[in-house]
Amino acid sequence: ILNVEQSPQSLHVQEGDSTNFTCSFPSSNFYALHWYRWETAKSPEALFVMTLNGDEKKKGRISATLNTKEGYSYLYIKGSQPEDSATYLCAFVEYGNKLVFGAGTILRVKS
Amino acid sequence: SQTIHQWPATLVQPVGSPLSLECTVEGTSNPNLYWYRQAAGRGLQLLFYSVGIGQISSEVPQNLSASRPQDRQFILSSKKLLLSDSGFYLCAWSKSGQRNTEAFFGQGTRLTVV
Repeated sequence: ILNVEQSPQSLHVQEGDSTNFTCSFPSSNFYALHWYRWETAKSPEALFVMTLNGDEKKKGRISATLNTKEGYSYLYIKGSQPEDSATYLCAFVEYGNKLVFGAGTILRVKS
Repeated sequence: SQTIHQWPATLVQPVGSPLSLECTVEGTSNPNLYWYRQAAGRGLQLLFYSVGIGQISSEVPQNLSASRPQDRQFILSSKKLLLSDSGFYLCAWSKSGQRNTEAFFGQGTRLTVV
């Protein structure tokens, strides 16, 4: 069974705080690693698609890093805003296009 | 542009009744297709995925089945629903043969088995 783990399960921060989440995945059969943001009453939307060891991606205040050799990825949010409140999902893509999600990290940002 | 349609949005079905959820993708060919379920308090569980017509991979033993009768159509079915089949079901697609590609999701179906 392919195991993708995310931590923490949930996080409550104040507006302006910076935060980070972890995604752990198998280090074998790696094809890609995705990060998604899932807001209430909407569908998950992709933040990043990462394929190479050492990849670093950035979109505004959000960035992500990837370590395929040790099987982890970090997602960072700098200066959290209330609109960042959502569930953040990572997904491991195995050769053969099997896309397996972690359980997600629920982020709540208080103003 | 590509779009994904999933229906119905909500469904209330009695235990023992059949189920059919449909998902179609427009604007692309030979997509990878996925069915996920979010049970209460848990993440997205992969139920089925397909890399081509008639090619279905089942991830967990369960009361559900999937079919891909056409290139851009993915159907989730059950002959007899159980209470434990309740949950939020999401269909998704991604471009085949491309590593730097994300998945795109439908709007989801909220299924309540009573």
